Order: sequence, then structure tokens, then C-alpha cells
Amino acid sequence: DVKVTQSSRYLVKRTGEKVFLECVQDMDHENMFWYRQDPGLGLRLIYFSYDVKMKEKGDIPEGYSVSREKKERFSLILESASTNQTSMYLCASSPAGTFRDEQYFGPGTRLTVT
Amino acid sequence: AQKITQTQPGMFVQEKEAVTLDCTYDTSDPSYGLFWYKQPSSGEMIFLIYQGSYDQQNATEGRYSLNFQKARKSANLVISASQLGDSAMYFCAMREGQDSNYQLIWGAGTKLIIKP
Repeated sequence: DVKVTQSSRYLVKRTGEKVFLECVQDMDHENMFWYRQDPGLGLRLIYFSYDVKMKEKGDIPEGYSVSREKKERFSLILESASTNQTSMYLCASSPAGTFRDEQYFGPGTRLTVT
Repeated sequence: AQKITQTQPGMFVQEKEAVTLDCTYDTSDPSYGLFWYKQPSSGEMIFLIYQGSYDQQNATEGRYSLNFQKARKSANLVISASQLGDSAMYFCAMREGQDSNYQLIWGAGTKLIIKP
């Protein structure tokens, strides 16, 4: 079974703190994604990566950065957390296989910034 | 303009009844794929079913089927004989073109509650 794990299920941070969200997948997938999920807005793509050290901005990259030093690990960084970054963060991975390959998701991290 | 529209923010359905969750999409690309995911209260997104734009038949996976009407640009999810465990958020998503990055565009979701 594909497994995508995220470092924390719940996280509470203060405004201005640097926040690291880690995501690890064990299926040798080339593509990895970070989404933000807010009620009524669905999933919005923050960043994605299609290879080690490669990254592409998604729809809402402002205030975030990412790192992919190893194929299995994709980190999301909030350089200076703000209250409007309180949200659910979902990591996903998929193979660079066929058009119909689905994305596999981690359990999510619910981040609260106070 | 919204590329994926799910017009039902919430639905209540009696257990054992069939459910149809609506999804309309907007694309000018002839090659695209449509996905449905389920998100229980635990938070994890679970893939349910896929329909490709060139697939000749509507997709089916167990109790899930996709009512794909290409001319109307709709891809409604049908759940037969609903169960209490079907209570969850349901998301429709689309992948356009032969995008090597395999990005998905997501709808806002529908919250389905099954009543006993």
C-alpha cells in the first residue's frame, strides 16, 4: 500500500515563527504536492515538485517555500507564520506514470497560528 | 471562471437510498481526466473513481459510478445503496491535457450526510 505520512496531525504556532511541515512517501513517486484546504474553497495548490530539487509554484505560493532534497521527502516552510495561514495542509504524491494516476494523500496537518 | 463546480455544498440522504453528487467542469482541452475523492472526518483523502475524456464507457467501481455527460461537461458521482460510512466530504477534480506535472484542479466539495 502507498503510504504518505505527515509529521504532525495538529500544530499550534505563534505569529512570526518559522514552521516546517514534513511529508514522506514510501512508493518512490516522482511527483509531490502541498495543498491548503479551507472550507468552501476546496484544495488549493501551494507548491509541487516533479523531481528532487525541482519545484514549481502552484496557485497560492505567497508566504510559503518548499524543499525537496530527497525523492521521498517534501517539506513545506512557512518563513514567518501569520494568522491567515491557519488551515489544513495536505501533502500528496503521484507517480510520473500515466494521465489517469491518482494522487495519494497524507492524513493532513491542521495548523493553527495564534 | 471556476473550472470545477460542485453546486451542492451539503446533502442529507436516507440510508440505503442512491445519491447523486453533481460536478460540472470547464475546459477547452480535448484530453482531460476527472477524479472523485472522499474525505471522511478523519481528514485523509481517499480516491474513489476516475473517468478519462476518451473513455468509451462510464466508470464504475463497486457502489460508485460516474454519470459522464461529455457534451454537458458534467461528471456526476452516483453512490448506490448509501451506507452510514458514506458520510463525508466529496471532491471532484480535473486534470487537463497531457500535463507532465499531473496537477489536479479541485472543486469546493459537497458534504454528504447519510441519515439512519
